[in-house]
Order: sequence, then structure tokens, then C-alpha cells
Amino acid sequence: NAGVTQTPKFRVLKTGQSMTLLCAQDMNHEYMYWYRQDPGMGLRLIHYSVGEGTTAKGEVPDGYNVSRLKKQNFLLGLESAAPSQTSVYFCASRAGQGNAYEQYFGPGTRLTVT
Amino acid sequence: AQSVTQLGSHVSVSEGALVLLRCNYSSSVPPYLFWYVQYPNQGLQLLLKYTSAATLVKGINGFEAEFKKSETSFHLTKPSAHMSDAAEYFCAVSGKAGTALIFGKGTTLSVSS
Repeated sequence: NAGVTQTPKFRVLKTGQSMTLLCAQDMNHEYMYWYRQDPGMGLRLIHYSVGEGTTAKGEVPDGYNVSRLKKQNFLLGLESAAPSQTSVYFCASRAGQGNAYEQYFGPGTRLTVT
Repeated sequence: AQSVTQLGSHVSVSEGALVLLRCNYSSSVPPYLFWYVQYPNQGLQLLLKYTSAATLVKGINGFEAEFKKSETSFHLTKPSAHMSDAAEYFCAVSGKAGTALIFGKGTTLSVSS
């Protein structure tokens, strides 16, 4: 049971380039989330999904797109990277509809945009 | 709306001393509260959670937290700090039903020998 995995672990992009971050979970969780972590800012929600084929915007969605074509995968895309998107990105998943369920986090992707 | 405030971005203690990390929340509905720990270059790991069953919650690694509704607080404590406790700690409150957690900005705990 690998839990939540993220690919890649590190990436350096030039301004204007695009990329996709992949999140996979093997716990059959319905809910999946993408956060970004910046120093002194905590974690901020980018997008989330409450089930296969559904996505919704979080607190800081601009410049990002997501897709949830399969229940176990949640992709985060950057169409035209900007230096402001330099950050550490975390994926998380959660079972169940109730808010008592905790989220399980992946190890993170460290992205630098030059 | 839900929000979390962590008092003190950096806390330093000596090994063996009491650890106290402060968290205050705001919630328009009965909250579910969480403490997560993040070790360097790793993801977040759940320490403990409050889901209304008991106000004193015990977690992993000897940590515990007490839910105080009157003070809207959920402070994290550990009686005796260990060097391995050095990490960043995040308090979080549940958001609207079905959505994500709302995180505080984090508190970095340093432990000196």
C-alpha cells in the first residue's frame, strides 16, 4: 500500500513552459486535493475533486487546471508557468464525505520556475 | 467562514522541556480540528484529530491536544521534548462540508540539547 504518490519530485521550468503533476492514490479515496505550500503561508488549496470526473476551484486556482479522469489519479496542470508558481505542491486524498476524515498527503513536488 | 490562527511562527525549547504550540480557530459550525507534522522535505503526517468524541485527544509520538470551545482553542502539547520533535506543525480546521481543510501558517519547533 503506497498511499499517496506524486510525480515528479523535483522540476525546474522556464517561464511560459507547461507541465503536468501527477498524483496517485491506492486507498480508493473519493476526495482528492492539490495544495501549494509557500514559506510563512501554510498550505493553500488550489483545486479539489469530490469524485471521478468532478473538479472544483479552491482558494488559489488561477494559472492551474486539473483533471480527474480516473478515481485514483488527480492531475495538476500548469499551462504557462510563471515565477510566482515556484512552490512546493502537495496532493492529498480523503475517504468519505464526513469532515471527520483526515487527509493523507503525498511527499510533495518541488517546482522552480525561472 | 472557518479560519485558523497559530500563535508564534517559531518556538524553541530545550530537550526535555514542555512543548506548547498554540492554535485558535474560528468556525460557524461545530469544528473538526487536526494537527499535522511536517519533517524536512517530507509531506504532512497526521498527529491527532478532534472529532467531538472527547475534548482531550491523544496522538502519536506523545503529543496531545485539548479542545476548549469557550476559548476556541486547540493547543498542542508534549510533556517532554525530544530532538526528533523538531519539525513544522500545522493546525487545521475542517472547511465547508465536503471541501478541504483550512490550515494555519505553521509553527516551526526547534529543540536544543
